[in-house]
Order: sequence, then C-alpha cells, then structure tokens
Amino acid sequence: DGGITQSPKYLFRKEGQNVTLSCEQNLNHDAMYWYRQDPGQGLRLIYYSQIVNDFQKGDIAEGYSVSREKKESFPLTVTSAQKNPTAFYLCASLDGESEAFFGQGTRLTVV
Amino acid sequence: EDQVTQSPEALRLQEGESSSLNCSYTVSGLRGLFWYRQDPGKGPEFLFTLYSAGEEKEKERLKATLTKKESFLHITAPKPEDSATYLCAVTSGGSNYKLTFGKGTLLTVNP
Repeated sequence: DGGITQSPKYLFRKEGQNVTLSCEQNLNHDAMYWYRQDPGQGLRLIYYSQIVNDFQKGDIAEGYSVSREKKESFPLTVTSAQKNPTAFYLCASLDGESEAFFGQGTRLTVV
Repeated sequence: EDQVTQSPEALRLQEGESSSLNCSYTVSGLRGLFWYRQDPGKGPEFLFTLYSAGEEKEKERLKATLTKKESFLHITAPKPEDSATYLCAVTSGGSNYKLTFGKGTLLTVNP
C-alpha cells in the first residue's frame, strides 16, 4: 500500500541532544513537508522541499534542519538550539496540486 | 504571504443538525485548496482538493464548495463519528508549493 511512514511514533530527548525524525513515502510525490502541532493549535510549517537536494524554510525553521537526498525520504533533525521541542511532528507529501497526505506523526518529549 | 482563516474555532451540533464551516483565504493565485479531518493524536486525513471558483466536491455527509475568497465545508445530518478537527490549507502560484494551513475548526456532534 502506498503511503507515508513516520518513525518513531514516540521519541524522548534529553536536554542538549539532537534527535532525527524519519519520514518516508512511496507515493512518488515530489513535494514533502514538516509541520509542528502544539496542543489546541494548528499546523505550523517548519521546512518543505519541492525536489531532491532542495528545500525551503517554513515559518518556524529555527532550531531545525532537514535533508532531501532521495525523493522518498525527508528526515527532520531537532537540534539542541530548539528551546521548546516538545510537540507533535507531522510529515506530509504532495503530488502536484492534487493530493496531499500525512503520516501518523511523531510525538517528541523533552525529559 | 498566503493567509488562511477558519471559523468558527469550535462548533457544537446535535446529531442531524446540518451546518457549515468556513475557510477564508488570501493568496497570490490559488493553485489548490485542501480540506482535512484530524482526530486527536493522529495525522490529518485528506478529504478534498478544490481548484477553481464554483467547484464542488462531495463525500458521504460532507460537501466542499469554493469561491474566489472562501471555501465552505457543509455537513449534512452529522453523526457523532463526524466529531473531529477540520483543517483547511492552500497552495498558491506565489508560494512555490508552500502548503499553508488555517488553525482548524473543532466540531463536536452530540448524540
């Protein structure tokens, strides 16, 4: 079945650590996205990528980094510079302007 | 910069009581307007994409419509299982595939 897979589902980070969230899609979609969602809030865009080896900052990119070495993969690293990383992280992919699908999310908690 | 505003923030309905959710947008050349449903702790589920004013799409009890300034999600005879947060998003010609979301409408349908 085609879809988007995010892993892990739950992730715990210690203060000062970098952590990487995985996002893989087998939909052959060109564009991929990372969003952050806080309780009771909408989706805020962190980074997005239209094609391999190219990506753009979203509205809240500070403290995050991404790479797009393969069309299928768009990992997100939450760096120690992100002071309030506890949130629900969602990855999405878009096929032109027709369909955009999300993964099931990664819940990151700082311990 | 693209802007999306959804109203109301929250809506309570009795089972069978039809209503509409609003999504108003400001973009530079709309490419696509997307509607999603999100259940707590899960990734958003894709519902519809609309492209041009006058377009309508239906799925079960949901019908989405589009004008040049806003979109409506009409819910006919809702059931408790329709309770969720409904999200609206846009891409535009001026945004290079950037997918911008509104903050959502939390719909509660009481039996």
